[in-house]
Amino acid sequence: AQTVTQSQPEMSVQEAETVTLSCTYDTSESDYYLFWYKQPPSRQMILVIRQEAYKQQNATENRFSVNFQKAAKSFSLKISDSQLGDAAMYFCAYRTMRYGNKLVFGAGTILRVKS
Amino acid sequence: DAGVIQSPRHEVTEMGQEVTLRCKPISGHNSLFWYRQTMMRGLELLIYFNNNVPIDDSGMPEDRFSAKMPNASFSTLKIQPSEPRDSAVYFCASSATRADTQYFGPGTRLTVL
Repeated sequence: AQTVTQSQPEMSVQEAETVTLSCTYDTSESDYYLFWYKQPPSRQMILVIRQEAYKQQNATENRFSVNFQKAAKSFSLKISDSQLGDAAMYFCAYRTMRYGNKLVFGAGTILRVKS
Repeated sequence: DAGVIQSPRHEVTEMGQEVTLRCKPISGHNSLFWYRQTMMRGLELLIYFNNNVPIDDSGMPEDRFSAKMPNASFSTLKIQPSEPRDSAVYFCASSATRADTQYFGPGTRLTVL
């Protein structure tokens, strides 16, 4: 079974500081995709960043970057210069074509940003 | 370009009633996904379509749930009869191809009394 684990139910960060959210996954596949989605109180699911497993280079999107460790099956999200608008639930997700392209989500991490 | 559109945004109904949720995918997207989000089970896939054809419905919980995609721009998820345990947020997502990134609609919050 494909599983995604987010071990931090809740995290806090001071505005302008950096925070890292953890994610591990279990798979026997070699070709897959990993994602971080953000869900603010509006409950809209917003794509933050995407990583293809075959790419060694870590994905980056402005203040958001990932640390992808394929051998360790780890995919953490780093948010730099945290802003109040970053406060949300963050979901790590995995997808492989072999299992129908469905996204398998972790339980989520609530991120609180303090001013 | 408009994103994924879902209606209604909120639905409150009584147990035993029929509920129909609607989704319009992003224009040009060939794959459509229905997800359900609950506190107990998190986010889980119910069914997905590729080119209007259902490909994987293994996540549909019971025969009370059915989904259709009569054309490339419209899909419905129907629950008949509805039960209180169906209360959840239902998301529709679409992607350009099966392998592409999925973009989510705003969700429908369903409450069954």
